[in-house]
Amino acid sequence: QKEVEQDPGPLSVPEGAIVSLNCTYSNSAFQYFMWYRQYSRKGPELLMYTYSSGNKEDGRFTAQVDKSSKYISLFIRDSQPSDSATYLCAMTKPNSGNTPLVFGKGTRLSVIA
Amino acid sequence: NAGVTQTPKFQVLKTGQSMTLQCAQDMNHNSMYWYRQDPGMGLRLIYYSASEGTTDKGEVPNGYNVSRLNKREFSLRLESAAPSQTSVYFCASMTGTNTEAFFGQGTRLTVV
Repeated sequence: QKEVEQDPGPLSVPEGAIVSLNCTYSNSAFQYFMWYRQYSRKGPELLMYTYSSGNKEDGRFTAQVDKSSKYISLFIRDSQPSDSATYLCAMTKPNSGNTPLVFGKGTRLSVIA
Repeated sequence: NAGVTQTPKFQVLKTGQSMTLQCAQDMNHNSMYWYRQDPGMGLRLIYYSASEGTTDKGEVPNGYNVSRLNKREFSLRLESAAPSQTSVYFCASMTGTNTEAFFGQGTRLTVV
């Protein structure tokens, strides 16, 4: 079992829909959780990060962490065509001496106008 | 503010040729990383350097070598390229709090 599992999609939704992207993980030592967005032919960029269970909002984006279930989600409200990208979850351990992030495989999202 | 700069952006190699991918960051980060990204495989770590003077293998190091030339620069070398190394390569550096990685724009490498 890989440390981080992510639904690969692809996911296609109409403009204005609510999008739910999810990852599960197996290592309970992971405490920092991130979502990266990657546009076609570009490098990934950090979208949100959180280190606690519960919800964190940033505009139309909400990151949710459930450590008891080892499950994280990213919700996108009022999705826009500009949200079309690949979304990668990532996680790491605290005080881990700069050990690398562990990434999910990414979910490709298309928002259709 | 350049962030992480990779060169070249595109490269075509013949099987058996060698080349070095260059990466430089201007954010004074200690940690730097090389990933490859293939369809359906996500980002896979090749090598990383937690600090100047140290390097460690990642998930897929075979066929690659790295050099942490100084705090700014981290290069990836393919000694004898193989078609299986056709991929998009990303360099990244990470903040000291271990919460954000900054990526370069990638190098698209094709080995024929």
